[in-house]
Amino acid sequence: GNSVTQMEGPVTLSEEAFLTINCTYTATGYPSLFWYVQYPGEGLQLLLKATKADDKGSNKGFEATYRKETTSFHLEKGSVQVSDSAVYFCALGSGSARQLTFGSGTQLTVLP
Amino acid sequence: EAGVAQSPRYKIIEKRQSVAFWCNPISGHATLYWYQQILGQGPKLLIQFQNNGVVDDSQLPKDRFSAERLKGVDSTLKIQPAKLEDSAVYLCASSLVRDRGTPLHFGNGTRLTVT
Repeated sequence: GNSVTQMEGPVTLSEEAFLTINCTYTATGYPSLFWYVQYPGEGLQLLLKATKADDKGSNKGFEATYRKETTSFHLEKGSVQVSDSAVYFCALGSGSARQLTFGSGTQLTVLP
Repeated sequence: EAGVAQSPRYKIIEKRQSVAFWCNPISGHATLYWYQQILGQGPKLLIQFQNNGVVDDSQLPKDRFSAERLKGVDSTLKIQPAKLEDSAVYLCASSLVRDRGTPLHFGNGTRLTVT
């Protein structure tokens, strides 16, 4: 079946540090890949997505590249801000039913 | 556009009691999902509707959980009787099923505590 493995947290960084959150997946066929973010007290929001191999999704300074050869979709940001503190979820979308399978989430805390 | 609305925001019940959650999806979204998010884990799909029909309920514990989506708009999820392990956040999501990149839009969830 489909599964998503995320880097375990929590992750604590200083403002302006470089961020990488690792995500690998197992899936049949050709899934779409997503990163969702959950800010404190809020619902899940789409951060970025990629629908085919070598696609790069980007938003708000975050980037992730769909790597089929390594089955990975790592999230990166060159310079994090305090406002980026949240829980980040990697997710895989597959099948005609368009269901999402989520990773366990990574808590990020950015200190000023 | 208005987002996915869920209520109540919080609910505390004792085990063996029943509880119901309500969801109003984004207008025009034919697909509706209920997810369960246990603390420290990612959301897990419980049931998916397309209009008012069930697409997938393979992960729904049918001995205690039920869900309906009358008229293909609002949906309710019910637990009867509740167990301690049902303590979680219940998320409703909706989407326009256009293509493989179509995202899901989530509500803020209902946090259930079973004591």
